[in-house]
Amino acid sequence: GESVGLHLPTLSVQEGDNSIINCAYSNSASDYFIWYKQESGKGPQFIIDIRSNMDKRQGQRVTVLLNKTVKHLSLQIAATQPGDSAVYFCAENNNAGNMLTFGGGTRLMVKP
Amino acid sequence: KAGVTQTPRYLIKTRGQQVTLSCSPISGHRSVSWYQQTPGQGLQFLFEYFSETQRNKGNFPGRFSGRQFSNSRSEMNVSTLELGDSALYLCASSETAGPERQYFGPGTRLTVT
Repeated sequence: GESVGLHLPTLSVQEGDNSIINCAYSNSASDYFIWYKQESGKGPQFIIDIRSNMDKRQGQRVTVLLNKTVKHLSLQIAATQPGDSAVYFCAENNNAGNMLTFGGGTRLMVKP
Repeated sequence: KAGVTQTPRYLIKTRGQQVTLSCSPISGHRSVSWYQQTPGQGLQFLFEYFSETQRNKGNFPGRFSGRQFSNSRSEMNVSTLELGDSALYLCASSETAGPERQYFGPGTRLTVT
C-alpha cells in the first residue's frame, strides 16, 4: 500500500555511494530517536535508534548522528544498495511512553 | 519469533459503518501502539496500550477507540466511518512501556467509500 505523500523529498544516489538522510525534529525535550525504512506495501522496518545521551551510534552499514543543539538527526548508509531504496522516516519520543512523532519521510532512490 | 500480525490486511467499508482492526504483538511484547498513515498527514499516533491500560492517546476524535486484552493482543475500532478515515492503520509492539524500539506490522489498508 501507499506509504508516502505525493511530494516527499527525494534523495537519488548511485549504487555503492554513501547516502545521508537528514531530519529536523521539533521537541527539544525529546530523548529518544529512531529511524525506520518503509518499502511499498509494507510496514515500517526498524533500522537504528539513539538516545539523547549519545551523539552517534553505528549499526551494520548505518550510522545515526544526533545534534541536540540544532535539533538535527541524520542517517548515514554506507555503500548504498538497490535494496536500500525505500522511504525513510525519523521519529522522536519525548519520554511519553512509546508514543512516537514521525517526520514526513524521505524517499531514497538507488540507481544501479 | 513471529513478527507483529494484523488482520485483516485489506478492508472496504461504507461511510457510516464501523470497523474493528486486530493486532497481535510479537510474543512477549506488552506494549502495543496504533498509528494512522495517509499521504497527506503521514504517520500519526493514535493510542498506546500497556498491560491492558491506555497510556497515551493522540489527537483523534472519540470515534477512534481501542483496547488491549490480557494476552497483549489489541483491537482498534472506528465508528461512523468517514471518507477521510481511509488510510493504512499500523500497529507496533515493544517489550516494555518505553521509550524503546517498536516493531511494526504490515498494516491494515482501510478504504471508506
